[in-house]
Amino acid sequence: EPEVTQTPSHQVTQMGQEVILRCVPISNHLYFYWYRQILGQKVEFLVSFYNNEISEKSEIFDDQFSVERPDGSNFTLKIRSTKLEDSAMYFCASSDPGEKLFFGSGTQLSVL
Amino acid sequence: EDQVTQSPEALRLQEGESSSLNCSYTVSGLRGLFWYRQDPGKGPEFLFTLYSAGEEKEKERLKATLTKKESFLHITAPKPEDSATYLCACREPGGYQKVTFGTGTKLQVIP
Repeated sequence: EPEVTQTPSHQVTQMGQEVILRCVPISNHLYFYWYRQILGQKVEFLVSFYNNEISEKSEIFDDQFSVERPDGSNFTLKIRSTKLEDSAMYFCASSDPGEKLFFGSGTQLSVL
Repeated sequence: EDQVTQSPEALRLQEGESSSLNCSYTVSGLRGLFWYRQDPGKGPEFLFTLYSAGEEKEKERLKATLTKKESFLHITAPKPEDSATYLCACREPGGYQKVTFGTGTKLQVIP
């Protein structure tokens, strides 16, 4: 079965540094998403992306965050200047319109 | 203003002891209610999609049902390998594609 892949599985960074989280969505899907989950809390929506632009974003997704589809297969989330509270598991997902989301295994981001 | 509320937060069952998990939603014009399973340190794994009241879906020991205000995930004769957190999520009306998750029910099945 096709799957969403994410790299790296773990990322440790210093506060104030930039990080880029990478994802390869399922190839024929049209919608791409980033979600995050702080330890012990619920899975929270960050942003959705369609046709090379952001289609929806949450209040969490402020100017420190950006997303990009640099080529035909990758989808990235950049955090420009990380804060301690950005420490979380970040999940990439993809879907067809109106259909279920397929999630990757996540990137555990630790900001020190 | 949570749109998706799950109960209980945690549930401990003996192997073979059937039970139900609840998901209440306040989204009107629902365009899909989803159940996912999440194992520790992993991404959510899709189980079911329900679209209209009265709909039911089954997979092995799991059965999901939907009414106008809530959904139930029934677990029949659970096994230890069913231990996981079960997440409910809703897709809002309109052209939006995002799904909004509840806080989940952490299920532990004791041998």
